[in-house]
Amino acid sequence: TQLLEQSPQFLSIQEGENLTVYCNSSSVFSSLQWYRQEPGEGPVLLVTVVTGGEVKKLKRLTFQFGDARKDSSLHITAAQPGDTGLYLCAGASGTYKYIFGTGTRLKVLA
Amino acid sequence: GAVVSQHPSRVICKSGTSVKIECRSLDFQATTMFWYRQFPKKSLMLMATSNEGSKATYEQGVEKDKFLINHASLTLSTLTVTSAHPEDSSFYICSAKKLGVPQETQYFGPGTRLLVL
Repeated sequence: TQLLEQSPQFLSIQEGENLTVYCNSSSVFSSLQWYRQEPGEGPVLLVTVVTGGEVKKLKRLTFQFGDARKDSSLHITAAQPGDTGLYLCAGASGTYKYIFGTGTRLKVLA
Repeated sequence: GAVVSQHPSRVICKSGTSVKIECRSLDFQATTMFWYRQFPKKSLMLMATSNEGSKATYEQGVEKDKFLINHASLTLSTLTVTSAHPEDSSFYICSAKKLGVPQETQYFGPGTRLLVL
């Protein structure tokens, strides 16, 4: 069974601080996605990474796919209250069926 | 665009009844849809993969007779929770893969919250 462990599980920070969320597995993934989910809504896709070592930036968010395609990180610079939410990584291996990570709940305080 | 809707958004039912949840791709065709379950403050757990015109593929530990999936058209998949019990209460989310876009792209519905009394 593929497992995607995210750390930390919970994070509460002040506005303006930087943070990094990690997504780790012992399995190799053909692609990995990051989502943000608001309470009572479906997840919204932030990014898809497919190449080992790939780095993608989305405004203040930087995503990296590990060289071995087993792990990924999400770095947020100068966090804002609007970044509050549940961050989920999801990995797929060949079949394009995505398995979701354990989730990181972020709260940014104004 | 690629919009996925779910109906109903919320449902409350009595224990022992069956509940049907619809997942529709509104402006695109989806040969594959996925059904997820999410417990409060937890991550999404993949329940099954629904393919148009064929039987759904269930994940390990998911009872196929309990959670009936039908994907009768390229825009509609349904999940029926049969003989629902309080432990079936959860947030159910579907996603759909759009034809003609990269394989890894899936679009999520807004979710259906089920409460079984």
